[in-house]
Amino acid sequence: SQELEQSPQSLIVQEGKNLTINCTSSKTLYGLYWYKQKYGEGLIFLMMLQKGGEEKSHEKITAKLDEKKQQSSLHITASQPSHAGIYLCGADDRKGGKLIFGQGTELSVKP
Amino acid sequence: ETGVTQTPRHLVMGMTNKKSLKCEQHLGHNAMYWYKQSAKKPLELMFVYNFKEQTENNSVPSRFSPECPNSSHLFLHLHTLQPEDSALYLCASSQDVGASSPLHFGNGTRLTVT
Repeated sequence: SQELEQSPQSLIVQEGKNLTINCTSSKTLYGLYWYKQKYGEGLIFLMMLQKGGEEKSHEKITAKLDEKKQQSSLHITASQPSHAGIYLCGADDRKGGKLIFGQGTELSVKP
Repeated sequence: ETGVTQTPRHLVMGMTNKKSLKCEQHLGHNAMYWYKQSAKKPLELMFVYNFKEQTENNSVPSRFSPECPNSSHLFLHLHTLQPEDSALYLCASSQDVGASSPLHFGNGTRLTVT
């Protein structure tokens, strides 16, 4: 079965710094989703990537899907305290379109 | 407002109790899901419903019983749970069950089994 591994598991950065979170799949990715979760709350959809080499941006967050379609990265520019939370990548498992998820990356931003 | 509403937000129940979790989506979606989120573990898919029909049961113990009376409502009936079932239970919906349909999540029900 397909597995997603995120790195790092946790990250503490100073406000204003850039950071990158990676998501690596054990199999080819056919749909990669990035979500953000505040502690104890639901997941908020950020972006979806489907094509190798695809890159999408929303405000200061950019996500890329590599050409070989087995890894995605999420990059935050000039981080702010509002960026703090848990970032999860999810992928279509190709069995009826259900999403599987990585274990999450917990981001803290120090003011 | 997320478009997916879950109630209750918090639930504490004993192992012999029977309770139900409720999920309602206002997005006109056709598919609904139950996920379990335990500390330090990836989200675990439990059940998938597409057009009210169950299309996936991910080897979930029978003490969890889902019900989907229509495309907008999803329930998770709980009985004789174990302490290890304590977790955040998340409901989600999507337009369809497919690779191009992002899931929209509710805020979850934090369940504690004593």
